[in-house]
Amino acid sequence: QQQVKQSPQSLIVQKGGISIINCAYENTAFDYFPWYQQFPGKGPALLIAIRPDVSEKKEGRFTISFNKSAKQFSLHIMDSQPGDSATYFCAASMGGNQFYFGTGTSLTVIP
Amino acid sequence: DAMVIQNPRYQVTQFGKPVTLSCSQTLNHNVMYWYQQKSSQAPKLLFHYYDKDFNNEADTPDNFQSRRPNTSFCFLDIRSPGLGDAAMYLCATSREGGPYEQYFGPGTRLTVT
Repeated sequence: QQQVKQSPQSLIVQKGGISIINCAYENTAFDYFPWYQQFPGKGPALLIAIRPDVSEKKEGRFTISFNKSAKQFSLHIMDSQPGDSATYFCAASMGGNQFYFGTGTSLTVIP
Repeated sequence: DAMVIQNPRYQVTQFGKPVTLSCSQTLNHNVMYWYQQKSSQAPKLLFHYYDKDFNNEADTPDNFQSRRPNTSFCFLDIRSPGLGDAAMYLCATSREGGPYEQYFGPGTRLTVT
């Protein structure tokens, strides 16, 4: 059973546009929601993370929006750049170190 | 730089021939993880260690074993690799008590012929 559902599977955005990736979860015990960025041939790297006591977190061009009542969270990439082309994974964790990953979104930013 | 190192980066083994993948870390984290990632899929947790306390995921096949001789090193043993075990294997570390960031190694790409 997929603990975290992610969409879309792939996304193509023009340079300068906004990329939006969505995730949903069911388990209300989750208390930490990170986003990972993975380039081909590399391991995932933490991009940004949020806890459920805040509705939004912004770091540079990357923003997480969190809707606790809907059990959804999303990643927004503003002013998308070709260097942002990668696979993005959302994840959820409860009470510590065990993480459940979404199925990933392949983002392509066209120059 | 503190990091997670995986060796080898690419491993080719024959069907049924045991193989060992290694992971080392200079972060001094006491939690280590092994994930399996197949093409275009999410990383799937196989097992993790809190120090030497081993935690196996319920659906991890018995064919997969792990050893952690000390804080810095962790090994993944595949006793009889099948074609379906071809994947990227990712090692990650984090501090205990979390939630803390997981630091991933670059992965080992396993091919089974």
